[in-house]
Amino acid sequence: DAGVTQSPTHLIKTRGQQVTLRCSPKSGHDTVSWYQQALGQGPQFIFQYYEEEERQRGNFPDRFSGHQFPNYSSELNVNALLLGDSALYLCASSLLYGQGVYEQYFGPGTRLTVT
Amino acid sequence: KNEVEQSPQNLTAQEGEFITINCSYSVGISALHWLQQHPGGGIVSLFMLSSGKKKHGRLIATINIQEKHSSLHITASHPRDSAVYICAVGTYNTDKLIFGTGTRLQVFP
Repeated sequence: DAGVTQSPTHLIKTRGQQVTLRCSPKSGHDTVSWYQQALGQGPQFIFQYYEEEERQRGNFPDRFSGHQFPNYSSELNVNALLLGDSALYLCASSLLYGQGVYEQYFGPGTRLTVT
Repeated sequence: KNEVEQSPQNLTAQEGEFITINCSYSVGISALHWLQQHPGGGIVSLFMLSSGKKKHGRLIATINIQEKHSSLHITASHPRDSAVYICAVGTYNTDKLIFGTGTRLQVFP
């Protein structure tokens, strides 16, 4: 089992461009969450996908959008990139463990640099 | 005030020392996670606990639900333990995590 995988590992974009990041969840996991981690900060929740729909969303603008495919993999899209979007983007997949508790696994992250 | 607070923010230690990192939270939780992040790297889950204590090798995690507090202990610390340790909580019936800002640990030989 490869665990959670993300691609690409690093990416450099220019302000105003658009970017797509990809995540494949751990085998058997049906929910994918995306987090943004700015340098020196803790991760911040962007949104979560379950059954191909956005189930929860954090405090991020509409420039951030996503998608989940039937095989549970997910994409994060960011339009009109700003310098402040430079961060490590983490994907986590989860599965209900029991009693409202979720087992969570994290991917290695995609480091996005906007110049 | 953040919903998850960690202390200290930075910690240096000599190899072999016993280390404690603390986490306090202000929301009702279903589980608390201790995570490890190496520089430039992704996140590795160390523990998920909702009560009591868990041990894995030299790492021990405890949680006191009544006091809304958890600690991560590292016994006989080693330079390879140098990393950022992050506390995160999951609220009931949701798998969205709320993260602390992390504790940067450096262990010197």
